[in-house]
Amino acid sequence: AQTVTQSQPEMSVQEAETVTLSCTYDTSENNYYLFWYKQPPSRQMILVIRQEAYKQQNATENRFSVNFQKAAKSFSLKISDSQLGDTAMYFCAFISSNFGNEKLTFGTGTRLTIIP
Amino acid sequence: KAGVTQTPRYLIKTRGQQVTLSCSPISGHRSVSWYQQTPGQGLQFLFEYFSETQRNKGNFPGRFSGRQFSNSRSEMNVSTLELGDSALYLCASSLAFTGGVDTEAFFGQGTRLTVV
Repeated sequence: AQTVTQSQPEMSVQEAETVTLSCTYDTSENNYYLFWYKQPPSRQMILVIRQEAYKQQNATENRFSVNFQKAAKSFSLKISDSQLGDTAMYFCAFISSNFGNEKLTFGTGTRLTIIP
Repeated sequence: KAGVTQTPRYLIKTRGQQVTLSCSPISGHRSVSWYQQTPGQGLQFLFEYFSETQRNKGNFPGRFSGRQFSNSRSEMNVSTLELGDSALYLCASSLAFTGGVDTEAFFGQGTRLTVV
């Protein structure tokens, strides 16, 4: 079974600063996907960024980038030039590529607050 | 293109009753998954349906069931409600949870169920 661990329950940073959210996972599989989802107070989960395990290159999406360390099973999210709208819960998630086992496993989340 | 629609948004039920929640996926999406979100347990996978067949199931009692119709709309049913069933129930749709490029899950805004 896969597990996803987010060790930072809460974080806060000043607007325009850079912040890194940590995520580690445990799996015996070799092919999988990792995601960071954002859940603002509106409750709707929004995909921030995804990483395919077979790709060595770290994914980037505008101000969001990841540091994917497959051997260490680490998948951190860096938010640059943070904005007030980035305030939300952030969940790290894992999904297997193996047929029949495709279910998202989430971490417990990190509550990020951007301070004006 | 319309997003994932969950109805109702809020629901209050009495212990022992049953409840049915509905999820309409994005047009063309054939996979629908359900998740339960509580402060104590976080996000937990309930089940996933693909082309009207349940492909994956989480570790929930048999009181939790679901189905998917030919138009990909899905319903989730909880019988004999318990206080602990109070949660945000999230539905996610995807083109296909097969580990390919279409593994992005789009979430609805959820149904907030309160059992009293």
